[in-house]
Amino acid sequence: DAGVIQSPRHEVTEMGQEVTLRCKPISGHNSLFWYRQTMMRGLELLIYFNNNVPIDDSGMPEDRFSAKMPNASFSTLKIQPSEPRDSAVYFCASSRPATNEKLFFGSGTQLSVL
Amino acid sequence: AQRVTQPEKLLSVFKGAPVELKCNYSYSGSPELFWYVQYSRQRLQLLLRHISRESIKGFTADLNKGETSFHLKKPFAQEEDSAMYYCALRGTGFQKLVFGTGTRLLVSP
Repeated sequence: DAGVIQSPRHEVTEMGQEVTLRCKPISGHNSLFWYRQTMMRGLELLIYFNNNVPIDDSGMPEDRFSAKMPNASFSTLKIQPSEPRDSAVYFCASSRPATNEKLFFGSGTQLSVL
Repeated sequence: AQRVTQPEKLLSVFKGAPVELKCNYSYSGSPELFWYVQYSRQRLQLLLRHISRESIKGFTADLNKGETSFHLKKPFAQEEDSAMYYCALRGTGFQKLVFGTGTRLLVSP
């Protein structure tokens, strides 16, 4: 198993552009999480899905951020329009169905908004 | 509300010295606590969880409900322990996993 797959690995864009980050969870995992990592705030949970349904999106910074999970094997995080303060590493993670299951993280997407 | 506090951004020790990475939490119910680690150029991964009461790579962590702490300890640090360490909390039932801001451990020879 290749683990959680995220794309792209790096994204450099200009302020105002739309950015789409992609994630493929591990097969059989029914929970998917999007986190943002910054020096100041560490790892912040943006949103998580259970069985493709968004459960908690209270961490989504503002309306410019949106996330979807159209099926069990794919999720996207979109930022439109992007701003320099969105620059961070965005991680996707998945876990199996159980409350104490560990999270498996992807390699992350390094986003730079100029 | 769930909250995890890691007061130290950076902890620098010499090889062979004891290490304690602090983690305090705030949660009204019975939490599940975890330590995750991110080595250089590797993915974030689970190090240990409190319910397992295990020692991984020489690290242990005890949940102290009275002090609401889950400090990570190792008696003798090794250079390969240098990494970013995150403490995380999950509330009762299926709820989100909340992370602290992380502590970078640097072990010098």
